[in-house]
Amino acid sequence: EPEVTQTPSHQVTQMGQEVILRCVPISNHLYFYWYRQILGQKVEFLVSFYNNEISEKSEIFDDQFSVERPDGSNFTLKIRSTKLEDSAMYFCASSVRQGSYNEQFFGPGTRLTVL
Amino acid sequence: GQQVMQIPQYQHVQEGEDFTTYCNSSTTLSNIQWYKQRPGGHPVFLIQLVKSGEVKKQKRLTFQFGEAKKNSSLHITATQTTDVGTYFCAGKAGANNLFFGTGTRLTVIP
Repeated sequence: EPEVTQTPSHQVTQMGQEVILRCVPISNHLYFYWYRQILGQKVEFLVSFYNNEISEKSEIFDDQFSVERPDGSNFTLKIRSTKLEDSAMYFCASSVRQGSYNEQFFGPGTRLTVL
Repeated sequence: GQQVMQIPQYQHVQEGEDFTTYCNSSTTLSNIQWYKQRPGGHPVFLIQLVKSGEVKKQKRLTFQFGEAKKNSSLHITATQTTDVGTYFCAGKAGANNLFFGTGTRLTVIP
């Protein structure tokens, strides 16, 4: 069964460093998303991406964040200068059509630890 | 801003007991989805409700969407240890994304 994959599974970084989290969405999906989940809390929407551009972003997704689809398969989230409060689990998701009316398939997540 | 609250935050039940989690939105929702997240896992889609008053069943799980499309519930009959996890509702009001609820963490005691 097709699934969303994410690498790395765990990333440890120093405060102020840049990190890139990688995702490979399901191949025939058109909509891609990043969410984050601080330990023990709810899942928070960061950004949605369609047709090679951001379709929507939340207040959390400030200038420190960027997304890119550098080729036909990868979807990346970059955090330019990490802060302690960026420590969280980051989930990538994808859907066939407009996400809010369709099942979103989540990847296993990348646990980001900022020291 | 939009808020989606769930109660209870935590629920401990004996195996075989029923369980219900309630989801309440501050705004009217176009639709609502439910996800389950096992401990250490990622959210997994369970179901989507679109129509006012809609009720859907999946084996021991019953999902309901309120008449005003501002609330929803998930009821599990005769819980099993495999039901352990956090159940999230997720709604969309007008934007093209999902707004997750605060979640209900279910523990099932064998």
